[in-house]
Amino acid sequence: GQQVQQSPASLVLQEGENAELQCNFSSTATQLQWFYQSPGGSLVSLLSNPSGTKHTGRLTSTTVTKERRSSLHISSSQTTDSGTYLCAIPSSGSWQLIFGSGTQLTVMP
Amino acid sequence: NAGVIQTPRHKVTGKGQEATLWCEPISGHSAVFWYRQTIVQGLEFLTYFRNQAPIDDSGMPKERFSAQMPNQSHSTLKIQSTQPQDSAVYLCASSFPLEQYFGPGTRLTVL
Repeated sequence: GQQVQQSPASLVLQEGENAELQCNFSSTATQLQWFYQSPGGSLVSLLSNPSGTKHTGRLTSTTVTKERRSSLHISSSQTTDSGTYLCAIPSSGSWQLIFGSGTQLTVMP
Repeated sequence: NAGVIQTPRHKVTGKGQEATLWCEPISGHSAVFWYRQTIVQGLEFLTYFRNQAPIDDSGMPKERFSAQMPNQSHSTLKIQSTQPQDSAVYLCASSFPLEQYFGPGTRLTVL
């Protein structure tokens, strides 16, 4: 079945540093979403980016569809950015999302 | 726009009891999804509806779990004879058409 792999599994930064999160998927995807989940919180959709580059605020996502990879860049990280970042693609032939295991980001003051 | 609404936010049941979880999707969204999340298993898909019709329930434990969408404004997930291994956060999402938006979840604890 389809797989989504994220790296690194965890990342610790000092406030103000930039973060680069990676997502690789096993087959071409018509949709790709990045989510944020705070500890004990629900999933917040950050970006929907099936191909190309998209920006919102301090977030930039670049997806190269033919190479089956996507990245999420967080610039000038803040302590409030701490949490888990999840990448997801739709299952083949269905609309359900397949999630990666996430990158746990910790931003130190 | 209130987003996806889930009730209750927390539910505690005794082993063997029934639990019913409610979801109100974002108005105008055509698809509703149910997932559950545990620390061990991560995020697991359960079932989804499109235009109120059940489309894929491949993730549902067949014997005790059932889901319905009687109208476009709400969906329910029912778990009969709850077991401790059913303890999880149950998440509902809606989409139009592919970008999914999640509710706050219902934390189910089975004692």
